[in-house]
Amino acid sequence: QVQLVQSGAEVKKAGASLKVSCKASGYTFSNYGITWVRQAPGQGLEWMGWINTHNGNTKYVQKLQGRVTMTTDTTTSTAYMELRGLISDDTAMYYCVTNLGVGPPNYWGQGTLVTVSS
Amino acid sequence: SFELTQPPSVSVSPGETARITCSGDALAKQYAFWYLQRPGQAPVMVIYKDTERPSGIPERFSGSSSGTTVTLTISGVQAEDEADYYCQSTDASGTLVFGGGTKLTVL
Repeated sequence: QVQLVQSGAEVKKAGASLKVSCKASGYTFSNYGITWVRQAPGQGLEWMGWINTHNGNTKYVQKLQGRVTMTTDTTTSTAYMELRGLISDDTAMYYCVTNLGVGPPNYWGQGTLVTVSS
Repeated sequence: SFELTQPPSVSVSPGETARITCSGDALAKQYAFWYLQRPGQAPVMVIYKDTERPSGIPERFSGSSSGTTVTLTISGVQAEDEADYYCQSTDASGTLVFGGGTKLTVL
């Protein structure tokens, strides 16, 4: 059974850094890229970026360039998303997902709620 | 970057056909994907590459494409189809964009 299990909810102060993990199981980790998507309360989906789990290549949305870093640990089949210099607009549910924009299989993590307070 | 435009809301009665459109210049050259999201849940892909349906998605979900507009059609809408629907595409540089989402209400 394929699962993407994300780390738990976080409350952060403005200016702090955040690192969310996404541990994959039930498939060969390097077979599918991992995308990070976030959703602010009551808002739509926002693509943050993508990491190639085979070679580590990344692509980030322009608005987060310089603040976001996506990495993987292939030994533990875990993807990470780090976001620095948090602002209140970063308050959102963060999801990891496989193969977004490619096709099946799409496996989604359960989401990690991040609250940024000033 | 590019934009994808969806109607904010669509309402239909049970058993009717719902059509949700998504417009954007990139759609003339790039595939579209559709996701439904129920409250408190992660999204689920219902259509990929304009018209393909993943295994496990009911046949009442279909997709079509014409020029710069793609359409998600739900035939014989059921109460369980009430959800937010998002289209998504990718530009030539690999930047991925979602539409603003459409709230489907089953009356």
